[in-house]
This record gives sequence, structure tokens and C-alpha cells, in this order.
Amino acid sequence: AQKITQTQPGMFVQEKEAVTLDCTYDTSDPSYGLFWYKQPSSGEMIFLIYQGSYDQQNATEGRYSLNFQKARKSANLVISASQLGDSAMYFCAMREGGSGTYKYIFGTGTRLKVLA
Amino acid sequence: DVKVTQSSRYLVKRTGEKVFLECVQDMDHENMFWYRQDPGLGLRLIYFSYDVKMKEKGDIPEGYSVSREKKERFSLILESASTNQTSMYLCASSLPIGGGNSEQFFGPGTRLTVL
Repeated sequence: AQKITQTQPGMFVQEKEAVTLDCTYDTSDPSYGLFWYKQPSSGEMIFLIYQGSYDQQNATEGRYSLNFQKARKSANLVISASQLGDSAMYFCAMREGGSGTYKYIFGTGTRLKVLA
Repeated sequence: DVKVTQSSRYLVKRTGEKVFLECVQDMDHENMFWYRQDPGLGLRLIYFSYDVKMKEKGDIPEGYSVSREKKERFSLILESASTNQTSMYLCASSLPIGGGNSEQFFGPGTRLTVL
């Protein structure tokens, strides 16, 4: 079964508008971490934001915020004030378990295109 | 500046060849990972290592092996390359879980084509 689901293969957004990229996850482990990465056309993977399962508040990093809804098992990425440079592939990932666990599971990604 | 480097950006090999992909990190990270990335499939974990000489199979280890003789270096080996191993290969490293959010740092990737 898919542990990380990104249902939007592609998205368009107008420059300066906000956009939400969806991510749902499946785990029975009470301790887990959720990550978002950006992959521009150059191919490098860039870490954007992290949310721990016990974190009380939604994570924010500049224009990025993570809308964490634990009961729904969703971890959507919100990008505010989109810029042309935000055009890229975005991956949601989960690390299950606490100390001693090293596996990260990635979704299939969402390709975002920002329009001028 | 943290850095993960991979030996080649592009590689073309023939079916049956033995292929070595090298990854080096300068962050003194314990954990290192090899993924392959294919369109529509995201990143899939091949192998990972949490210490020198330690290795664990990921989700798709068949046809691959790894070597970690030094902390900073993690090698992926295709014993006998096949056309279905044509892919983008990404190396990553991270601190242990107790070290904060343990984000992964990725190398630039190696695009391997097997003819």
C-alpha cells in the first residue's frame, strides 16, 4: 500500500498567488517525521520543511508552511506568493519511527509550474 | 557548506558491464542512502547504511550491491548492468535520528543509461 500519496501529478499557479500541494500519509507508528523537498530541473533535491509527529504547531520556513492535520494524516505544503523560481518538482517524504529507524519513504511528486 | 558529491553526472554503459557509482559526503554523517528516481515512481530506496561496513536493503535491492569502507564514502555497484537499470541515481546522507530533524542532504544525481 502507498505510504505517501501525492495525488496531483501537475499544478499551475499564477505568480504571486499561493498554492497548496497535497500529501497524505499512512502509518501506525506514533513517532514519525514528514519532509518536503524541491527538485528543480537541474536535478538537485533541496530540503524545504520538516514536521515532527509530536509537534504542536505547523512548521513554517519563510514562504513555505506545512498544513499538518494529524487526524486526517495529511501534510500539505503551502507556498505563499509564488515566484517563477518555484517551478519545480516537489516531493513529500516520511520517516517512520524514532531512534534506530533510517528509512525514508517518498511520494511520486507534484510538478509545479508558476505562470508569469 | 554541506556537500554530497557523486562521481559522475552522466554515465553510459553497456549491458553486462560492472558499474560503480561513488558518493562522498563531507558532513561526517552516519547515515547514507542510495535511491533511484524514475518518472511517475518518485524516489525508491535501494540500500542504506547507518555506519561503516553496515548496510541494509531498501525496497528495490535486486541487481545492486553497496560498499561502505569509510564513513564519508558509499558506493553503489551494479554487478551486471541491465537496460532496466537505466535511471537517475541519487545519493543522500543524514545525521542519526537523534540529531534533530535528520533531513537528508542529496547529491546532484547520476543519470545512468545502459545500452
